[in-house]
Amino acid sequence: QKEVEQNSGPLSVPEGAIASLNCTYSDRVSQSFFWYRQYSGKSPELIMSIYSNGDKEDGRFTAQLNKASQYVSLLIRDSQPSDSATYLCAVTDSGYSTLTFGKGTMLLVSP
Amino acid sequence: DTEVTQTPKHLVMGMTNKKSLKCEQHMGHRAMYWYKQKAKKPPELMFVYSYEKLSINESVPSRFSPECPNSSLLNLHLHALQPEDSALYLCASSQGPLTGTDTQYFGPGTRLTVL
Repeated sequence: QKEVEQNSGPLSVPEGAIASLNCTYSDRVSQSFFWYRQYSGKSPELIMSIYSNGDKEDGRFTAQLNKASQYVSLLIRDSQPSDSATYLCAVTDSGYSTLTFGKGTMLLVSP
Repeated sequence: DTEVTQTPKHLVMGMTNKKSLKCEQHMGHRAMYWYKQKAKKPPELMFVYSYEKLSINESVPSRFSPECPNSSLLNLHLHALQPEDSALYLCASSQGPLTGTDTQYFGPGTRLTVL
């Protein structure tokens, strides 16, 4: 059974700080890794995707992948109150592309 | 454009009603998905259509009936639902399986309340 683990939080950071969100996965054949942001009552919105080891940067967001450790993380620099949301980590293998979600980490950014 | 649209936004129905949820995408994606999401839980996969054929049914009760009329449209027909079926129903689409980097894009969801 594939598992994706995330700390449920809440993770509280002050405005302007770096928020670090972590995720581990159990299936070694996992190929693609995604971070979705979900505001309360809204649908998941894709923030980052990463497929190979290392870092991938997009604006204030950096995704980091370490396949040997089965670990993926999301860093949010210069955190803003508007970043307050639940962040879902999701992984998929190279087969039918079904996503396995973690339970999500709630991030709270205080002004 | 990564837009997936869903109608209606909100739906209230009785346990004896029949209703349908609709999902549409014009990105040329060949895989479409239905998810159910309860409060403070991650999305839970219900069905996957790949090239307009049902490829995955995650043991969903028969009161939920999916339909894919064409590659852009996905419906979810609802009949004799229970109050515990109240949830946010999400549609997603992606390029298709075995594409190596298949990214799913979600629609805004339909908030369903069963009385």
